[in-house]
Amino acid sequence: NAGVTQTPKFQVLKTGQSMTLQCAQDMNHEYMSWYRQDPGMGLRLIHYSVGAGITDQGEVPNGYNVSRSTTEDFPLRLLSAAPSQTSVYFCASSTTLLGANTEAFFGQGTRLTVV
Amino acid sequence: GENVEQHPSTLSVQEGDSAVIKCTYSDSASNYFPWYKQELGKRPQLIIDIRSNVGEKKDQRIAVTLNKTAKHFSLHITETQPEDSAVYFCAARRSSNTGKLIFGQGTTLQVKP
Repeated sequence: NAGVTQTPKFQVLKTGQSMTLQCAQDMNHEYMSWYRQDPGMGLRLIHYSVGAGITDQGEVPNGYNVSRSTTEDFPLRLLSAAPSQTSVYFCASSTTLLGANTEAFFGQGTRLTVV
Repeated sequence: GENVEQHPSTLSVQEGDSAVIKCTYSDSASNYFPWYKQELGKRPQLIIDIRSNVGEKKDQRIAVTLNKTAKHFSLHITETQPEDSAVYFCAARRSSNTGKLIFGQGTTLQVKP
């Protein structure tokens, strides 16, 4: 059981470049989300989705786009990378079924550096 | 909007002592409060959670207490061990399982042998 898989693990971008962080889960979870982790700031929610075709903004959405065309995948796009987007990014998923275990399962993270 | 404040940001204890981490939340509609542990270089993992219809929950050396009136909840670790050293995050979520999961800023716990 793979759980939540993120790719790549590490990435260096130049300012202005674009890229997509991939996230896939095989647990048939409806809820998926992206966080960024910066020292002293905790895990801040970027975007989230409660099902295919539905996305919404989190606490820090500017500079990022998402889409949810399937239940399994939730890619995060940086259209024009900035040094302020240097961070560790985590994808997480959980079920929305009432009464079920609502634990959020995290991917292994992507360390992004924008120079 | 929803906000979760966590204190302290760092905590150092001697092995065998207890550690307490406290969180407050702003959204009175929150009713699910998980705690995550993140070891260095690893992903966050759930260690315990509590729902608003419960005031306290224990699992071996860890416990969580919830005061809905005051909108705060705490993590208690007893008989700390060096392997408890990690970053701990509290979080809060609104009523339905489709609500946003909002995290606190994290507490770095160091347990000295």
